[in-house]
Amino acid sequence: EVQLVESGGGLVQPGGSLRLSCAASGFTFSAYSMNWVRQAPGKGLEWVSYISSSSSTIFYADSVKGRFTISRDNAKNSLYLQMNSLRAEDTAVYYCARATGSIWTLGYWGQGTLVTVSS
Amino acid sequence: QSALTQPASVSGSPGQSITISCTGTSSDVGGYNYVSWYQHHPGKAPKLMIYEVSNRPSGVSNRFSGSKSGNTASLTISGLQAEDEADYYCSSYTSSTNWVFGGGTKLTVL
Repeated sequence: EVQLVESGGGLVQPGGSLRLSCAASGFTFSAYSMNWVRQAPGKGLEWVSYISSSSSTIFYADSVKGRFTISRDNAKNSLYLQMNSLRAEDTAVYYCARATGSIWTLGYWGQGTLVTVSS
Repeated sequence: QSALTQPASVSGSPGQSITISCTGTSSDVGGYNYVSWYQHHPGKAPKLMIYEVSNRPSGVSNRFSGSKSGNTASLTISGLQAEDEADYYCSSYTSSTNWVFGGGTKLTVL
């Protein structure tokens, strides 16, 4: 069974940093591209970042470019999101999601971890 | 990149059919067959319901179907059931920013 478990969320002050992790199991992690998607309170889903299976290709949404860094450790079956210079508008539940079929289809999602940016 | 346009809410009675639209542009929905639909019960993980416009993943009920015409994609749910009550999001590949989601549609089963 595919499982994705996010961790690392919490309360952080504006301008601060946080590192999210996503532990994957139930599939060959190194064979799949991964994504981070977020949902701000009362808002819809927003794609944040993509990383290919070998980390050779990375994309970011304009809203986080230059502040967030996606990475992965295939030996540890883990996906990461380093978030710097956090803003109030980054407050959201962050989901990790695995591609399935094409890289543009998010077939499996975790339950999410809440990040709150507030003073 | 603006979000794809979805109705904020739709409703239907058990057994009825409903359709949720998702309108984009020729740079996303109209230009590529990478439209997906996700079901999201608050507090739970989103679930893929339709991919590549009209394909159903294994395990998803055949009551769910997808289609596309021009710049508008649609999700149809037939034989509505109480458990279908959820938020539904469309998404598409876009040539400008890779991914774009719709604003979401709240489905109420009356």
